[in-house]
Amino acid sequence: GQQLNQSPQSMFIQEGEDVSMNCTSSSIFNTWLWYKQDPGEGPVLLIALYKAGELTSNGRLTAQFGITRKDSFLNISASIPSDVGIYFCAGQALQNSGGSNYKLTFGKGTLLTVNP
Amino acid sequence: SAVISQKPSRDICQRGTSLTIQCQVDSQVTMMFWYRQQPGQSLTLIATANQGSEATYESGFVIDKFPISRPNLTFSTLTVSNMSPEDSSIYLCSVDLGAADTQYFGPGTRLTVL
Repeated sequence: GQQLNQSPQSMFIQEGEDVSMNCTSSSIFNTWLWYKQDPGEGPVLLIALYKAGELTSNGRLTAQFGITRKDSFLNISASIPSDVGIYFCAGQALQNSGGSNYKLTFGKGTLLTVNP
Repeated sequence: SAVISQKPSRDICQRGTSLTIQCQVDSQVTMMFWYRQQPGQSLTLIATANQGSEATYESGFVIDKFPISRPNLTFSTLTVSNMSPEDSSIYLCSVDLGAADTQYFGPGTRLTVL
């Protein structure tokens, strides 16, 4: 099945620093999504990308849909303590057989720690 | 987006029992999904809950273990049957609002099986 390689697994940064994380796949995706999950909560959608090459911002967050449709990155600028959490990438591709046609494949997550 | 609630938020259950988790959305949605997130892991899709028809299960998940109901466009339940400690996970429902393949998640149900 499809797999996403998300890196890094974890990051320890100082408040104010910029952060970058990425996901790569051997398969093509039609949609890339970035989520943040706080402890004890469900994932919250940060940014959705629908077109190859698309660059989208949401406040201090910027994400891009790779031109090959096999990768995406998320940047966080000027990090603050509340940025702490686990960030997941997720890709969606039309399934041709079995299971759901709307299946999201998730990366393993990047644990971000911000030191004040 | 949508407001999604789940009940219970957490539970501790005995081996061999079953637990039904509810998912309620504040608007009508076509697509609802159930995920499992094992401790320290990523999210894995269990099944797609289809209104008016049987759920569509992913490889490795079966209806006898995870029966799903979808009686209307705002509500779904997932039952974890005959539980064992390996079923200890966070169970999450999500919805696709139909705009463009974007899923929004509920807060999750944290299940511990003793």
